[in-house]
Amino acid sequence: AIRMTQSPSSFSASTGDRVTITCRASQGIGSYLAWYQQKPGKAPKLLIYAASTLQSGVPSRFSGSGSGTDFTLTISCLQSEDFATYYCQHYYTYPLTFGGGTNVEVK
Amino acid sequence: EVLLVESGGGVVQPGGSLRLSCAASGFTFSNYWMNWVRQAQGKGLEWVANIKRDGSEENYVDSVKGRFTISRDNANNSLFLQMNSLRAEDTAVYYCAGQSRGGSFSVIDYWGQGTLVTVSS
Repeated sequence: AIRMTQSPSSFSASTGDRVTITCRASQGIGSYLAWYQQKPGKAPKLLIYAASTLQSGVPSRFSGSGSGTDFTLTISCLQSEDFATYYCQHYYTYPLTFGGGTNVEVK
Repeated sequence: EVLLVESGGGVVQPGGSLRLSCAASGFTFSNYWMNWVRQAQGKGLEWVANIKRDGSEENYVDSVKGRFTISRDNANNSLFLQMNSLRAEDTAVYYCAGQSRGGSFSVIDYWGQGTLVTVSS
């Protein structure tokens, strides 16, 4: 199975900060990568797919980049509603796998 | 509006069985690949299984192969997960989730709110 490694696993940030989360795949996955946001007690919400395509309705402060094995999710100006856990996931082959998550906390 | 509503979760003893259901509405169910994804308390997401639009192909994570079976009823817009030989490590919230954009290798873009399965004696 392809292993997805996210870093950092958690960190503290302030409203207005620029935030970057990285995701590394254990083998090349092209651009078959998605990013999700999850808040406590809620289902995941799709933010980015195909590594860099913004899902409809998602604010433009979210962006994704990368291909092959290395990917990033950037939040250009962190808002209060962005404090959450973020997951990357590949859909290149089976089994589909997720990264371990990055918890963005209030500083 | 796409709506996915899971049901059937509960407490079951190790070795027991449970059948989860997911009722879909607001979209053409037969056009979507459908998935089950689970999340243990305080842990990350784990993809469990998916099924092709017409039910002709199923895929599973190794840890559930031979124990879980995914199925669908397109006439009634429903997805199922039959879980047998349950283990403590199967304890999790199970999400029903859909792929609207294409074939087997397309993004999961719609999620239900989940149903909790607890395996405990």
